[in-house]
Amino acid sequence: DQQVKQNSPSLSVQEGRISILNCDYTNSMFDYFLWYKKYPAEGPTFLISISSIKDKNEDGRFTVFLNKSAKHLSLHIVPSQPGDSAVYFCAATTVNTGKLIFGQGTTLQVKP
Amino acid sequence: ETGVTQTPRHLVMGMTNKKSLKCEQHLGHNAMYWYKQSAKKPLELMFVYSLEERVENNSVPSRFSPECPNSSHLFLHLHTLQPEDSALYLCASSPDRANQPQHFGDGTRLSIL
Repeated sequence: DQQVKQNSPSLSVQEGRISILNCDYTNSMFDYFLWYKKYPAEGPTFLISISSIKDKNEDGRFTVFLNKSAKHLSLHIVPSQPGDSAVYFCAATTVNTGKLIFGQGTTLQVKP
Repeated sequence: ETGVTQTPRHLVMGMTNKKSLKCEQHLGHNAMYWYKQSAKKPLELMFVYSLEERVENNSVPSRFSPECPNSSHLFLHLHTLQPEDSALYLCASSPDRANQPQHFGDGTRLSIL
């Protein structure tokens, strides 16, 4: 029973275009959501997060959108760069537990 | 030195061996975590420590035994592992267990023969 799902295993976009990575969740008690990026042979690196009281959070080229009614969040990267090529994980948690529940990951390839 | 450091990076062991994984964080955090990532599966939380006290054991078999001697160090003691325990083991830390990002080490790639 996967509470956090990333249904697209991979995504390929052209450099300079927008990358949109999607994530769905089932647990309505989740109130904090995060995106991580992972390169081979390295641990996940935190990218951006959003609290359930917001519907959008922006940090430079990265924007996370949260649609609570649809239990859906997305990560927009614009413009995409070849260095963004990595595996992207979404994660969710409930307040003050520290228990992150991760999706399976989406491999993003940005072509020059 | 900063961040979260895990040693060793790679470990091969037999099913009857005893070994330990080490994690050290230099971020001044009070919460530390062990995760497991098996092939083609999401990261799975194993243990949560807060202020050196174990606050979560996510139904992990007793052949995995964590230890947190202080807020900067976390160990995972391994004994009588099974081939299905081969995976990437990741350590993370955060300021506390509130809604804040966790910072990960680069992991230990464990192979059980």
